[in-house]
Amino acid sequence: QVQLVQSGAEVKKPGASVKVSCKASGYTFTSYGISWVRQAPGQGLEWMGWISAYNGNTNYAQKLQGRVTMTTDTSTSTAYMELRSLRSDDTAVYYCARDLEGYCSGGSCYSSWFDPWGQGTLVTVSS
Amino acid sequence: EIVLTQSPGTLSLSPGERATLSCRASQSVSSSYLAWYQQKPGQAPRLLIYGASSRATGIPDRFSGSGSGTDFTLTISRLEPEDFAVYYCQQYGSSPHFGPGTKVDIK
Repeated sequence: QVQLVQSGAEVKKPGASVKVSCKASGYTFTSYGISWVRQAPGQGLEWMGWISAYNGNTNYAQKLQGRVTMTTDTSTSTAYMELRSLRSDDTAVYYCARDLEGYCSGGSCYSSWFDPWGQGTLVTVSS
Repeated sequence: EIVLTQSPGTLSLSPGERATLSCRASQSVSSSYLAWYQQKPGQAPRLLIYGASSRATGIPDRFSGSGSGTDFTLTISRLEPEDFAVYYCQQYGSSPHFGPGTKVDIK
């Protein structure tokens, strides 16, 4: 079955970086993109960005531009999300999700709906 | 940027009742690029509906989506005990956004 398995919880100090992994199985990894979504404690869902597993094209949320980098390793069917210059308000559960019909056209990239999702990775930023 | 508003914030119903959840967009959502997700405590969200009205694989037919433009609805025809959860709408495109969610709890 299609499955996304994420790396374990992290505790980081303000100003540090974190890199979360998301290993895909049960489908052809390069046929779909991966979106990343985070959820602060007790809050709603925030889309962070999308990466094409086919060619590495990315589309980041404007508020995270310059602090986030998404990459993939097609040899291991794994996606990565790195967030730098961490602040306390980056404390959240971070999810990866398969993006069913994301694509790029004319210099712009578009995300679609997400299914399935990884189990989530709690990142705590605290001094 | 499209802003999504969901109402009500909380819906208190009994098993067997019908639930009607609303998602309103600040501007028209192109090509019905709208999805619905269910999230239970401590779990990742689960896709229910995409393209405003298409049920995802394995989703029971008591869940249905409708709407276009700026007004969308998720309907649960008869609530089962496992349906009590938080529901989010999401518009997709170049800058996807989620609504704030509607909590469906047991009356």
